[in-house]
Amino acid sequence: GNSVTQMEGPVTLSEEAFLTINCTYTATGYPSLFWYVQYPGEGLQLLLKATKADDKGSNKGFEATYRKETTSFHLEKGSVQVSDSAVYFCALSAYQGAQKLVFGQGTRLTINP
Amino acid sequence: AAGVIQSPRHLIKEKRETATLKCYPIPRHDTVYWYQQGPGQDPQFLISFYEKMQSDKGSIPDRFSAQQFSDYHSELNMSSLELGDSALYFCASSQTSGTSGPKGSYNEQFFGPGTRLTVL
Repeated sequence: GNSVTQMEGPVTLSEEAFLTINCTYTATGYPSLFWYVQYPGEGLQLLLKATKADDKGSNKGFEATYRKETTSFHLEKGSVQVSDSAVYFCALSAYQGAQKLVFGQGTRLTINP
Repeated sequence: AAGVIQSPRHLIKEKRETATLKCYPIPRHDTVYWYQQGPGQDPQFLISFYEKMQSDKGSIPDRFSAQQFSDYHSELNMSSLELGDSALYFCASSQTSGTSGPKGSYNEQFFGPGTRLTVL
């Protein structure tokens, strides 16, 4: 079945540090890939997405590139801020068939000033 | 802009009781999804509805049932509650474009704030 694996957390960085959160997936066909962010006490917000190979999703300084050859969708940001502290989920949706999202286990990110 | 509304936001129940969670999708969204997120875990898909018909089913216990009504809101009914049902329950909605229905191209899901259910 479809699955998503994220790097284990928690991750703690200093402000302005470079961020990478690894995400790899297993899926049949050609899934769409997403990064969701969950701030404390809130719901899930879509951060960025990519729907086909080599697409780059970007938003609020975050980027991720859909790499079919390595089945990866790593999240990166060049300079993190304290306000980026949250839990980040990588997710996929099978493009053909069920629309449900399959999530990775989440990575808790803490940015210290 | 209008968002997905869930009620109640918090719910406390005893074991073996029943609970009903409600979800009001974004206007003109025709598809609703339910997810369960246990403490420190990733959200797990439960069930989805498109145009008031069940469109997909995940790891939803038999004790749970759900439906989508004519106004597109959805309710998740949970009976014989167990301690392990304590979780955050998210509803998401999307607008399924064209005539391909839920089996067609991906449509972005917008999540509500969740209902935190505590079973004592």
